[in-house]
Amino acid sequence: GAGVSQTPSNKVTEKGKYVELRCDPISGHTALYWYRQSLGQGPEFLIYFQGTGAADDSGLPNDRFFAVRPEGSVSTLKIQRTERGDSAVYLCASSLYGSGLLQETQYFGPGTRLLVL
Amino acid sequence: QKEVEQDPGPLSVPEGAIVSLNCTYSNSAFQYFMWYRQYSRKGPELLMYTYSSGNKEDGRFTAQVDKSSKYISLFIRDSQPSDSATYLCAMKGTGTASKLTFGTGTRLQVTL
Repeated sequence: GAGVSQTPSNKVTEKGKYVELRCDPISGHTALYWYRQSLGQGPEFLIYFQGTGAADDSGLPNDRFFAVRPEGSVSTLKIQRTERGDSAVYLCASSLYGSGLLQETQYFGPGTRLLVL
Repeated sequence: QKEVEQDPGPLSVPEGAIVSLNCTYSNSAFQYFMWYRQYSRKGPELLMYTYSSGNKEDGRFTAQVDKSSKYISLFIRDSQPSDSATYLCAMKGTGTASKLTFGTGTRLQVTL
C-alpha cells in the first residue's frame, strides 16, 4: 500500500515568508508526527497528533511554528516569518495507534527539503 | 550534552566486512531501542527494534542493548554495497513514548 507522502518535496523561500508543508499519512493511521532534520543531524521531534488533536507539541521551537490536522488524516506544518535557520528537511511519520504505545512503529515519509534564502 | 550520542563517521569498509555501529544514551527512561536506515534523500526506515538487554538477530543484522551501560549496538555481517546509508539509532520511553529521540546518525560506505 501507499506509504507516507509529503509535498512539496522541495521548497525554496525567502526570509520572512510564510510556508506550508503537507503530510499524507498511511491510511488508517491515527497518530502523526513531525520531525526536523538539519544537515548532518538526526531527526528532532516537533509535534505529535493523536487523531485531530496535538497531544505533544513540546518540540516546536517557537510560536512561528504551528501544525494542524483538522480531520485526523492530512496534516499541515505552517512556518511564519521564516528564518535562514529554519532550513532543514521536515519529516512526517505516522503510526497505527499512537497513544504512547512503546511498540508502535513510526513510518516516515521522504521529507520536504526547505531552503530559506 | 545530547541525550543520545552517536559517532557521525563516515565509516568506510570493504564488502564482506563486519560493521559495528554504536550509540550511548544518558536518559534512564529510555526503554525501547530502534535502528533506522536512511538512504540519501529518503526518509528513515525501521531496521530493528528491541526493548530488553541482550541480543536480537534478523538475518545479517544483530541489535545489542546493554541497559546497565546505556549502550546499544548494531552489527552488520557480510556487508554489501547496498548497505551504504546513514544508520540512525532511536529511543523512546514511558512518558515520552510519542516521540523518538535520535542519534546523529553514522554514515556507512561499503566499497567493492
